[in-house]
Amino acid sequence: QKEVEQDPGPLSVPEGAIVSLNCTYSNSAFQYFMWYRQYSRKGPELLMYTYSSGNKEDGRFTAQVDKSSKYISLFIRDSQPSDSATYLCAMGPGANSKLTFGKGITLSVRP
Amino acid sequence: KAGVTQTPRYLIKTRGQQVTLSCSPISGHRSVSWYQQTPGQGLQFLFEYFSETQRNKGNFPGRFSGRQFSNSRSEMNVSTLELGDSALYLCASSWGQGGNSPLHFGNGTRLTVT
Repeated sequence: QKEVEQDPGPLSVPEGAIVSLNCTYSNSAFQYFMWYRQYSRKGPELLMYTYSSGNKEDGRFTAQVDKSSKYISLFIRDSQPSDSATYLCAMGPGANSKLTFGKGITLSVRP
Repeated sequence: KAGVTQTPRYLIKTRGQQVTLSCSPISGHRSVSWYQQTPGQGLQFLFEYFSETQRNKGNFPGRFSGRQFSNSRSEMNVSTLELGDSALYLCASSWGQGGNSPLHFGNGTRLTVT
């Protein structure tokens, strides 16, 4: 079993839809959870950073962590074409003292 | 605050050559990590430097090496280039080390090996 699994996608939704992006993990030692957004020909940009279980909201984005189920989610409300990008989850530190990334999911928001 | 700066943005090299990539971290960040990103493998960790010392290393051959200077700037070197080294190389800085703090990425160097 991979340490971090992310839905492979791609995902296409109409503008205004609520988007749910998910990652599962196997390492119960993970304490820090992040979501990154990567536009084409750019580096990943930190979108959300949470510690331990619970929800964190920032504008149209909500990050949710459920440590008991080893499951994290990113919700995007009122999705916009500008949200079209690849989204990567990341978490750590693992036993190897580094962040572990999901493979990313490509989201397309249709006008 | 200026972000992570990577140079050059694009490189085209031939097999057997070597290449050096440069990274300037966010001011105040002492940790610099390097990643290789390819469509099939996603983000693969290369190494992490903190206070000029390599703190962590991924599963890459010895052809991949790096260093960090006293001003936290970092360089990555790949010798004897192979076709499979074609990828986006990303540098990321953070205030802490070892996966305890979020990484802030540069826009990468796109390396093409022909």
